[in-house]
Amino acid sequence: DTGVSQDPRHKITKRGQNVTFRCDPISEHNRLYWYRQTLGQGPEFLTYFQNEAQLEKSRLLSDRFSAERPKGSFSTLEIQRTEQGDSAMYLCASSFPPASHPQETQYFGPGTRLLVL
Amino acid sequence: AQTVTQSQPEMSVQEAETVTLSCTYDTSESNYYLFWYKQPPSRQMILVIRQEAYKQQNATENRFSVNFQKAAKSFSLKISDSQLGDTAMYFCAFMKHEANDMRFGAGTRLTVKP
Repeated sequence: DTGVSQDPRHKITKRGQNVTFRCDPISEHNRLYWYRQTLGQGPEFLTYFQNEAQLEKSRLLSDRFSAERPKGSFSTLEIQRTEQGDSAMYLCASSFPPASHPQETQYFGPGTRLLVL
Repeated sequence: AQTVTQSQPEMSVQEAETVTLSCTYDTSESNYYLFWYKQPPSRQMILVIRQEAYKQQNATENRFSVNFQKAAKSFSLKISDSQLGDTAMYFCAFMKHEANDMRFGAGTRLTVKP
């Protein structure tokens, strides 16, 4: 399968615990995005990487959240000291825009559903 | 700030019929991109169709077409010959030129009935 993959698919944790999610983009996609989707809402942008550089962060990304993309391949999103309000689906997407088309299609992974008790 | 509004939380259509999903957006930008994404139950989001704002011609992809009205800031999705597999949440999304953060609407839940 050559699509975007995310691990784990589901995570249940207790308030105050740290969690880490992984995203593997489509091979050779140099752009990677993280979104958060709460029940009944559309995804909300969290952050964006071009290769290993994190170029943009939303105000939604509080200091308890950190994302990395070492070596410009897979990415991790860590949430420290989780709160019940962090319960959501965390989506990863990747793209490989050609120079002629800077906003190329973003391909989404299946998401990691987080429940904080 | 750009906002995307989908005024129809839920819609249903009979199999083989046509349905139109509405989307409006608010922006002061002149160059941007619009998307419709489909999210089937418990499955990942996939792109249905995209439209560049500088193109006047409405995008089409097989049974899916859009009605892009730039002046009215409207971007509706028409699904012809609806199939059971079209049952999903449909999200309208906006992204301004040279940006990376896509803004999504709240979605429309479409049910295709046999």
